This record gives sequence, structure tokens and C-alpha cells, in this order.
Amino acid sequence: DTGVSQDPRHKITKRGQNVTFRCDPISEHNRLYWYRQTLGQGPEFLTYFQNEAQLEKSRLLSDRFSAERPKGSFSTLEIQRTEQGDSAMYLCASSSPRSGGTEAFFGQGTRLTVV
Amino acid sequence: KNEVEQSPQNLTAQEGEFITINCSYSVGISALHWLQQHPGGGIVSLFMLSSGKKKHGRLIATINIQEKHSSLHITASHPRDSAVYICAVDDFGNEKLTFGTGTRLTIIP
Repeated sequence: DTGVSQDPRHKITKRGQNVTFRCDPISEHNRLYWYRQTLGQGPEFLTYFQNEAQLEKSRLLSDRFSAERPKGSFSTLEIQRTEQGDSAMYLCASSSPRSGGTEAFFGQGTRLTVV
Repeated sequence: KNEVEQSPQNLTAQEGEFITINCSYSVGISALHWLQQHPGGGIVSLFMLSSGKKKHGRLIATINIQEKHSSLHITASHPRDSAVYICAVDDFGNEKLTFGTGTRLTIIP
């Protein structure tokens, strides 16, 4: 297993278009997280899954955003009708609970530019 | 909501210097993470702490739960240590992290 994988690494899209990002977590990890990071800021939580169940969504996740993890493995994050304010790095992380706490492993991120 | 603050925001030092980056948070936590982010975006986990001190190579992380404060130290700093270092806290033990804004470290040869 090579770690958390995100695709694509970069995406440039015109305002109003829909985009979809994919995250493949570490195979035995049942928790998967999406974060968004704008320039000069730390990442902000968007949503997380335990297996296929979406357990929490941030208020940052407007109705134009939807995330799925249909079989409890990979996840997709879709943004409909993109706006310039959606330009950011979208980061995925995965973890697996164990005694003593859990370390989160991050992907390389998908950098979205809306023009 | 936990407020996570890091200092300094930017730090430039000469190769070989001892580096300290500080992190404070406002509400009790389950664990604190120190992360490293290089240009291009990828984040690497350095440490996860719930108490005491951890050491890995030239990196040392400490946490004081009572004072709600953690520090990341780098000994014998090297230009390859140049990166953004981010502190993040896990409030509830579910690894949903709240992040600081990061400290940009530049080590000059």
C-alpha cells in the first residue's frame, strides 16, 4: 500500500462547471476525512466517513458539495456549479482507530483553480 | 470550537540552529498532531501526542495538557527541514482535526 492517493492532483475548471475528486485511503483504514485548505491557511474540516457512513458534515459544505463513500473504500467529493471561492487545495486523510489514539495519513491533495 | 494558535508564523534560521515552534489551544483535547507540509501540498504526520514528550531523529515534540500548549523542536536544523509545520488538535478522539495556520520555516545554508 502506497498511502492515501488523490486524483487528480490539479484541476482547472471554468466557473459554473461541476468537478469530482477521488480519494483512495489506506486499504485497512475505515475512517476517511476531507479537508479544504486555502492559501496561507491551515486546512479546515469538511466531512468524514466511518466505513460508508457519512458521520459529520461541516457548515462549510454547502449544498453544492456532496461526498460519497459507497463501499466504504474510496471516496468522491463533487462540487457542482463551481465558484471562484471554491479554489483551494482539497485534502483527504484516512485513519484506523486503535488503542492509544490514531494517526491520520494524508494524501497529496487536489488543487482546484476555478477561473 | 477549539482555537489553535501557532507562533511564530514565519521563521528563518541558519543551518544548525535549534528551532522551536509553539502551539496553543483553547479547549481540552484527545490528542495533538504535528504535521509537515512541503510546497505542492502533501502533508506528512510527524507526531501524535496526548501527553509528555516524543522524539524522532532530530525532532522533539512536547505537550503540557494543563497549560494547553505544545512545542515542536528541531535540533541541528538543515535546509531540507524548510517547510510549513502545522499543529492540529483532535477534540473528541475521532481524528477530526482542527488546524493551526502553520509556521513557515526556512533554513538558510
